[in-house]
Amino acid sequence: QLRLQESGPGLVKPSETLSLTCSLSGDSINSGSYYWGWIRQPPGKGLEWIGSIFYNGNTYYNPSLKSRVTISLDTSRTYFSLKLNSVTATDTSVYYCARRHITAAFDVWGQGTTVIISS
Amino acid sequence: EIVLTQSPATLSVSLGERVALSCTASQSVSSNLAWYQQKPGQAPRLLIYGPSIRATGVPARFSGSGSGTEFTLIISSLQSEDLATYYCQQYNHWAMYTFGQGTKLEIK
Repeated sequence: QLRLQESGPGLVKPSETLSLTCSLSGDSINSGSYYWGWIRQPPGKGLEWIGSIFYNGNTYYNPSLKSRVTISLDTSRTYFSLKLNSVTATDTSVYYCARRHITAAFDVWGQGTTVIISS
Repeated sequence: EIVLTQSPATLSVSLGERVALSCTASQSVSSNLAWYQQKPGQAPRLLIYGPSIRATGVPARFSGSGSGTEFTLIISSLQSEDLATYYCQQYNHWAMYTFGQGTKLEIK
């Protein structure tokens, strides 16, 4: 059974780069049946899709974040990563990684990791 | 960008009550809409997609309907464990997904 786990620093300074990793257990990213994505949720607010990556490395980003986001796939295909540069306090959120079937919705989610942007 | 509007933002309900949550899209998303349940401190859980297919393990009291721009999530008889915030999400455009702002269910 697939499980996803986010990891990374919980505190990032303004203007720096937020870096997170999503580790897979129980599967690997080698199927054309799924997209692998990042979604975030500011405190007390709703969900925002950040971007997704396909098994072949193709990436798709939210236009509102596109200039600052990079999602990449590790060669082991057992984890994928998120980088968000030039962060500000508005990037403070719980960050989730998730899997989406190509014909359906996000069916497997990580537990989420809180990232606070503060000096 | 496709905007999803959920109504109401908060709904006061009684246990055992039939509950209907609405999600309206700013343009057609065909049948590419999903519903998620989120409890405090937890990740969202996929309930419904397609938009009437229940995800694995989801109780039969949850059902979804709609197409195009108007969608509804029905809880036929509200249980205490259903008190949560519910989000709709469109995945019609493969490169741009959006979520509604959520509807929070609270006890009347």
